[in-house]
Amino acid sequence: DARVTQTPRHKVTEMGQEVTMRCQPILGHNTVFWYRQTMMQGLELLAYFRNRAPLDDSGMPKDRFSAEMPDATLATLKIQPSEPRDSAVYFCASALGWNGYTFGSGTRLTVV
Amino acid sequence: TQLLKQSPQFLSIQEGENLTVYCNSSSVFSSLQWYRQEPGEGPVLLVTVVTGGEVKKLKRLTFQFGDARKDSSLHITAAQPGDTGLYLCAGPYFGNEKLTFGTGTRLTIIP
Repeated sequence: DARVTQTPRHKVTEMGQEVTMRCQPILGHNTVFWYRQTMMQGLELLAYFRNRAPLDDSGMPKDRFSAEMPDATLATLKIQPSEPRDSAVYFCASALGWNGYTFGSGTRLTVV
Repeated sequence: TQLLKQSPQFLSIQEGENLTVYCNSSSVFSSLQWYRQEPGEGPVLLVTVVTGGEVKKLKRLTFQFGDARKDSSLHITAAQPGDTGLYLCAGPYFGNEKLTFGTGTRLTIIP
C-alpha cells in the first residue's frame, strides 16, 4: 500500500530550538495537509497545499510556524523558536483533490 | 470555528455487544468521512458518505448520513477487540473545502 512517510517519529527538544518535520506524500496526490493533534483540541488543520502552492495557513501561528513544499515529494513544517505549548503530535496527510485523506504516522514533538 | 461534536466521548463495552456513535453539527456538510485511529498511528479512512440519507456498510460497520446532511452515525454490530480505537468523523462544510474533524469517540472493546 502507498504510504505517507513522516520523519522523525519522535522529537524532544528544548524551548527556543528550531524544529523541522518532514513529510513525503503519496506519489500522485496533489493536496498535502499538516494537522496537529492534542488531547484538548483534537485534530487541528495548520496548513495545506495543492499542487505545491500554499492555499491556507490560517491555522498556524505565523510568527513561529512555517510550512513549505520545496518539491512534490517533500513537505516541511518548521517551528522556530519552539515553545512547550507546541508539544503535540503533528500529522501530514495527502489526498487527490478532496477524496479521503491518507495520513502519515505522525511526529510526536515534546518541547521541554 | 465550526464545531463537529461526537458522542459519546468514551465508550467501553464487552465483546459481542452492539454500539452506535454519533457525529453532529449545526452546519451542512457536502460529504462526510469516518476514520479510525489506533495508538501511535494516524487516522485511517473507513468510509465517505456523500448523499443525504445514504447508508453504507463495511462488514460489521454501518454508516449513515443524515437526510439534512448535518449528522451521521456509525453502528458496529458484534463488536470485537480489533474495533478498539479512536473514531473520528470529518467533513467539509458547504462553501468551505477544508476538512474539519470531530471531537472523537474513544472506543474500547473488552474481551
